[in-house]
Amino acid sequence: QVQLVESGGGVVQPGRSLRLSCAASGFTFSSFAMHWVRQAPGKGLDWVAVISYDGSDKYYADSVKGRFTISRDNSKNTLFLQMNSLRVEDTAVYYCARGLEMATIMAAFDIWGQGTMVTVSS
Amino acid sequence: DIVMTQSPDSLAVSLGERATINCKSSQSVLYSSNNKNYLAWYQQKPGQPPKLLIYWASTRESGVPDRFSGSGSGTDFTLTISSLQAEDVAVYYCQRYYHTPPLTFGPGTKVDIK
Repeated sequence: QVQLVESGGGVVQPGRSLRLSCAASGFTFSSFAMHWVRQAPGKGLDWVAVISYDGSDKYYADSVKGRFTISRDNSKNTLFLQMNSLRVEDTAVYYCARGLEMATIMAAFDIWGQGTMVTVSS
Repeated sequence: DIVMTQSPDSLAVSLGERATINCKSSQSVLYSSNNKNYLAWYQQKPGQPPKLLIYWASTRESGVPDRFSGSGSGTDFTLTISSLQAEDVAVYYCQRYYHTPPLTFGPGTKVDIK
């Protein structure tokens, strides 16, 4: 079945780094753009980053630009989010999500993982 | 920056009654070349990831009950639940996915039973 499973979350001190992973299964991963979306405790959804199906295009929210890097390994059906210089305000559940239509970034998100919690605290 | 707003922030509706949620984008999400509105609606229940309900402003995702419908064009959109069921208690978000990112979400509308 179509599935996304995030991993790599945890508790980290401000200024440190963390790498999240999202393992995809049940669909042709290399055909779809992929996104990271976060949700701070008790707050709304906050789009973080997107990568095109082939990794050639990447876009970031202003709040993470220069600190976070999205990447993918289509041979391993895995999406990544490298988070550097973490801040307290980056504390959130991080979801990976799939774009609904193949080969475009401009699509709604039809498949979501269960999320992984990142806590930035001293 | 493009801003998405939703109204109301929350609403309580009796079982079987209609619930209406509004979403407004500070810029149009209508793409003139294909006449499509790049606007989606999601439902999120506590402890769960969001679930796609509606895309292209009015296209229901597979498996979504037909009591959910979306309408609107350009900058103003509406999600309607025609007959509220207990399982519809959730927070509802609109999202623009038009052109280049950011793919901004609205702040959410919480729906409860009256």
